[in-house]
Amino acid sequence: AQTVTQSQPEMSVQEAETVTLSCTYDTSENNYYLFWYKQPPSRQMILVIRQEAYKQQNATENRFSVNFQKAAKSFSLKISDSQLGDTAMYFCAFSPYSGAGSYQLTFGKGTKLSVIP
Amino acid sequence: DGGITQSPKYLFRKEGQNVTLSCEQNLNHDAMYWYRQDPGQGLRLIYYSQIVNDFQKGDIAEGYSVSREKKESFPLTVTSAQKNPTAFYLCASSSPSGQGLNYEQYFGPGTRLTVT
Repeated sequence: AQTVTQSQPEMSVQEAETVTLSCTYDTSENNYYLFWYKQPPSRQMILVIRQEAYKQQNATENRFSVNFQKAAKSFSLKISDSQLGDTAMYFCAFSPYSGAGSYQLTFGKGTKLSVIP
Repeated sequence: DGGITQSPKYLFRKEGQNVTLSCEQNLNHDAMYWYRQDPGQGLRLIYYSQIVNDFQKGDIAEGYSVSREKKESFPLTVTSAQKNPTAFYLCASSSPSGQGLNYEQYFGPGTRLTVT
């Protein structure tokens, strides 16, 4: 079974500054995917960024980037130039490669991020 | 627009009653999922379905049932056997890997169920 751990229940950052959210996971799988999802107060889950474990290059999406350390089983999210709209719960999630067409996600407990004006 | 709809947004039931939560998608996705979210917790998988007329138990299936009679629909029934049914329920869908990088899951807006 997989586990995902987010060790920071809450964080805050000043607007325009940079913040890094931590995530570690435990698995015996070699092929898998990692995700960061954002859940704003509306509670809609929004995909922020994804990483395929077979790719060595860290994924980036505009102001969002990850630091994927496969050997250490670490997958942190960096948010640059933080904006007020980034205020949300952030969930790290893991999915083993299925090949069968469905991808069951295991989520961490989340980090509540507050961006301060 | 393509997406996932869940209805209703808020649902109230008396203890001992079964209740069915609706999930519909028009994304032409084969796989669909149900998750439960409790305060201070991440999402936990209840059931998932890879194709029509097939579904599998997730991590916390006890007290829940599902059906998948149509590709677009994946309703979840919370039965009276579920000991703590009050929670936020999220439905999601995804495409099979053969259709490119579509293994990510798309989520509906969720249903808040309160049982008293």
